[in-house]
Amino acid sequence: DGGITQSPKYLFRKEGQNVTLSCEQNLNHDAMYWYRQDPGQGLRLIYYSQIVNDFQKGDIAEGYSVSREKKESFPLTVTSAQKNPTAFYLCASSIAGGTLNTEAFFGQGTRLTVV
Amino acid sequence: AQSVTQPDIHITVSEGASLELRCNYSYGATPYLFWYVQSPGQGLQLLLKYFSGDTLVQGIKGFEAEFKRSQSSFNLRKPSVHWSDAAEYFCAVGEGRGSTLGRLYFGRGTQLTVWP
Repeated sequence: DGGITQSPKYLFRKEGQNVTLSCEQNLNHDAMYWYRQDPGQGLRLIYYSQIVNDFQKGDIAEGYSVSREKKESFPLTVTSAQKNPTAFYLCASSIAGGTLNTEAFFGQGTRLTVV
Repeated sequence: AQSVTQPDIHITVSEGASLELRCNYSYGATPYLFWYVQSPGQGLQLLLKYFSGDTLVQGIKGFEAEFKRSQSSFNLRKPSVHWSDAAEYFCAVGEGRGSTLGRLYFGRGTQLTVWP
């Protein structure tokens, strides 16, 4: 089945450690996104990529890094510089080129807890 | 700057009652509007979207939404709520980039509780 897979579903990290969240899609979508969700805050955009080997900062990029070496994959690294990393992280993808009548498809999320 | 406002943080309705969730947006160009639903600990599922044409949009699970440009609103409605509709609902506006849909801007969400 086509879709977006995020792993792991739950992740625990000690303070001061970097951690990488995985996002893979087999929808052949060009664009991929990372959002952070906190209670009452909605979804806030961390990074997005419209094409392989290119990505842009979103609204809350500080303390995060990404790479886009393959079309199917858009891993997010939460670095030790992120002051408050405990949150629910959502990955999404969409068709990038030539159409406005599209939508973003979301993965099931990764809940990161710093212990 | 683009923004989306969902004025109601939490709404409680009885099963079988009608529902309206409010959404107002601020966007300088033609808005591309979406409603998503999220169950606890899950990702987001698209309910419906508006790009152009008929301002009344039908979606899945019996939901509909009406785009009112004069009021900058895109309210979500359902005539009769089911207990399984209890979830969090997000309104979003998409940024148009020429012929491509760019990033989405989300509201803070409305939590729906359904009483039996």
